[in-house]
Amino acid sequence: NAGVTQTPKFQVLKTGQSMTLQCAQDMNHEYMSWYRQDPGMGLRLIHYSVGAGITDQGEVPNGYNVSRSTTEDFPLRLLSAAPSQTSVYFCASSYGAGDLPYEQYFGPGTRLTVT
Amino acid sequence: AQKVTQAQTEISVVEKEDVTLDCVYETRDTTYYLFWYKQPPSGELVFLIRRNSFDEQNEISGRYSWNFQKSTSSFNFTITASQVVDSAVYFCALSGRGGFKTIFGAGTRLFVKA
Repeated sequence: NAGVTQTPKFQVLKTGQSMTLQCAQDMNHEYMSWYRQDPGMGLRLIHYSVGAGITDQGEVPNGYNVSRSTTEDFPLRLLSAAPSQTSVYFCASSYGAGDLPYEQYFGPGTRLTVT
Repeated sequence: AQKVTQAQTEISVVEKEDVTLDCVYETRDTTYYLFWYKQPPSGELVFLIRRNSFDEQNEISGRYSWNFQKSTSSFNFTITASQVVDSAVYFCALSGRGGFKTIFGAGTRLFVKA
């Protein structure tokens, strides 16, 4: 199993550009999440999904869109990049049994710089 | 609202010392789950432990132990006889029942010197 994969690993964008961060998992997990990690702030939840076709906002959703058309994929779209979105982005997936949260498996991260 | 506080930003110890990482949480849920994750210098995030709000038994796994006290809303993590390989950022996290809004603390960076 590849686990959780993310592409690209590094990306530099100019202000105003758009792009999609890719995330895929091969563990048949229902739950997937996107986090951003900034120095001194831990991981903050951007969006999450409890299954294909179902997404919801986390703590810091502004400026980001997500969709979940399949169980495996959960892309994160930046509509118009801003320097404040410079961060390391982690995708995670988790097994779910009913509404009980289990541990999350994280991808390797994408380091994004917006100039 | 849920909140996780890790008041220790950085801790530095010498190898073989014991070290405790503090985690204090706030939640109105009666059912919730607490986690610890480790982020070594390589950057990946690794799951260490999951504990539900009804299980206050302390847990020990090798040199690692966790002390969960609902009375003080704390879920502290102790490393006994620390090693250089324990150097990492450690995150405490909280999830409520019925959702996946996992809230992470800011993390504690642990330096273990040889």
